[in-house]
Amino acid sequence: GAVVSQHPSRVICKSGTSVKIECRSLDFQATTMFWYRQFPKKSLMLMATSNEGSKATYEQGVEKDKFLINHASLTLSTLTVTSAHPEDSSFYICSAISTSVNEQFFGPGTRLTVL
Amino acid sequence: AQSVSQHNHHVILSEAASLELGCNYSYGGTVNLFWYVQYPGQHLQLLLKYFSGDPLVKGIKGFEAEFIKSKFSFNLRKPSVQWSDTAEYFCAVNNYNQGGKLIFGQGTELSVKP
Repeated sequence: GAVVSQHPSRVICKSGTSVKIECRSLDFQATTMFWYRQFPKKSLMLMATSNEGSKATYEQGVEKDKFLINHASLTLSTLTVTSAHPEDSSFYICSAISTSVNEQFFGPGTRLTVL
Repeated sequence: AQSVSQHNHHVILSEAASLELGCNYSYGGTVNLFWYVQYPGQHLQLLLKYFSGDPLVKGIKGFEAEFIKSKFSFNLRKPSVQWSDTAEYFCAVNNYNQGGKLIFGQGTELSVKP
């Protein structure tokens, strides 16, 4: 099946710094990618839809200026958590749609810990 | 707004027991339905999906799910679970017109005792 990778797999940063997370579709092109946030023992919460070549669409309650999304190519979307605070600590998961098989594939996730 | 509800938060079974995990969604239009599994330390994987046609859908690893439109339900079943089925299971709904955006249920943790 199609593979989606995320980098880094885990990151620890100080409060106030910015962190960039990359999501790549390794063997297919994805015009649409999604960013989710998963809290412990909780479901995945959709944060935003990342569209190649255009602005991301954010879900209600998600701060656009805090969670910057850039989908610069058909295989790469990035999520930047700006001025991170401890409450931003979470597991961030991306996914990408493979139109050839009409299926959404998920990355392994990135564990962000803000001290 | 769309929502997905999974009734069981944590299910504990012995090997060879039968499994049924409940999933209900709220949306009146055309939806696609999914079950995903997340094994410990691994990423989400698709178990099965329903788009249209036969409401009884068979997936990987012996799992199946039945779409009952009148009950807005998409319950996951497996006749005989194995220890390796221990994982978190997520039901998800996708509005046919919203281009892939998934709404997830809260998840059900399945623990299978050997």
